[in-house]
Amino acid sequence: DAKTTQPPSMDCAEGRAANLPCNHSTISGNEYVYWYRQIHSQGPQYIIHGLKNNETNEMASLIITEDRKSSTLILPHATLRDTAVYYCIVSGSRLTFGEGTQLTVNP
Amino acid sequence: GAVVSQHPSRVICKSGTSVKIECRSLDFQATTMFWYRQFPKQSLMLMATSNEGSKATYEQGVEKDKFLINHASLTLSTLTVTSAHPEDSSFYICSARVPNAGGRDTQYFGPGTRLTVL
Repeated sequence: DAKTTQPPSMDCAEGRAANLPCNHSTISGNEYVYWYRQIHSQGPQYIIHGLKNNETNEMASLIITEDRKSSTLILPHATLRDTAVYYCIVSGSRLTFGEGTQLTVNP
Repeated sequence: GAVVSQHPSRVICKSGTSVKIECRSLDFQATTMFWYRQFPKQSLMLMATSNEGSKATYEQGVEKDKFLINHASLTLSTLTVTSAHPEDSSFYICSARVPNAGGRDTQYFGPGTRLTVL
């Protein structure tokens, strides 16, 4: 599975959009990009995934660059409950978690 | 999304005893489940892949005789930590794979089990 690089931490104001970047320059053609988040002492929560097209669901949007070497998870209107560690994972078959990005949403 | 439950949510046991953790898929059938372990301030580490009706596949460095995995039905996988010691104290999390029509399978995670070995 391809390795991903994420900033260790980010801050965002409540109500503003949170844009979380992820680099995955070694991604191969059949690997998907997954995003999960983990709120303290809970199991990870699935957010979204995509292959090459941009994706949107009720939680977030996923923007994948044309060369697929990077992606951005967008939380359009962050709330305090979005404070969590966000994991970007590139996977062919199983999920390998990196260190993720600690997103802190501030009032 | 699909719902995965774990039981118990937390357990405290004495050193040398065995502890069983259950992972259930509540509204779908899962031929494949995964077991992870997470130490404080660290990320999740995959321990093993549990396949219904066959032996689990363990990651390098995970002792299969210590962490017994049974996946006897399409909705239940169990992890038994045998002869637990304080260093086994951790947050154990399971996940289940949900096949997606026309796209990559998605994994949904349970809420985790906090194991403390005294």
